[in-house]
Amino acid sequence: AQSVTQPDIHITVSEGASLELRCNYSYGATPYLFWYVQSPGQGLQLLLKYFSGDTLVQGIKGFEAEFKRSQSSFNLRKPSVHWSDAAEYFCAVSSPSGATNKLIFGTGTLLAVQP
Amino acid sequence: DTGVSQDPRHKITKRGQNVTFRCDPISEHNRLYWYRQTLGQGPEFLTYFQNEAQLEKSRLLSDRFSAERPKGSFSTLEIQRTEQGDSAMYLCASSLGTGATDTQYFGPGTRLTVL
Repeated sequence: AQSVTQPDIHITVSEGASLELRCNYSYGATPYLFWYVQSPGQGLQLLLKYFSGDTLVQGIKGFEAEFKRSQSSFNLRKPSVHWSDAAEYFCAVSSPSGATNKLIFGTGTLLAVQP
Repeated sequence: DTGVSQDPRHKITKRGQNVTFRCDPISEHNRLYWYRQTLGQGPEFLTYFQNEAQLEKSRLLSDRFSAERPKGSFSTLEIQRTEQGDSAMYLCASSLGTGATDTQYFGPGTRLTVL
């Protein structure tokens, strides 16, 4: 079955520290990969996406993610976290051959930022 | 772009009542999705429209749920005879495209509480 695993439910980092959020997927073939962020009262916002090509992708707000096929992973990174990055982060996949482009989400990682 | 809007933002109802939610996608977006998000989980796909045609429904969408998108613009999601297990955030997303790489833009969601 297709699934996305985000092993860390909560992460706390200090402002200015680096961040890495983990994402692993189980899929028949290489899916399309996404990271979304959800702030309280806000809709999900797309941070970045990977379809093919360069395995290091840059997104908005200074985030990047690296696709590693051998590890079925798509980890999200940021070199220096800001207090405004506190939010919930979701990794998601979709099928390149799917007719609907429906997204399959992980359970999310809640990020807290300490001053 | 005014973004995806959803109405109402919050709905409290008693078990057994019917509720209807509305989603207004970004203008001219041909694709529209409904997802459900329960506490501590990522969003789960419910159904998908391309223009006015409902092309996919999840097994999560029981007979008590019905969705429409008349004229291919706004969409409604109705839940009949609500149950406490229906309490969740209902998210709507829209996208423009016909392939597998279009980006889904999410609304702020409707939070349903069934007492």
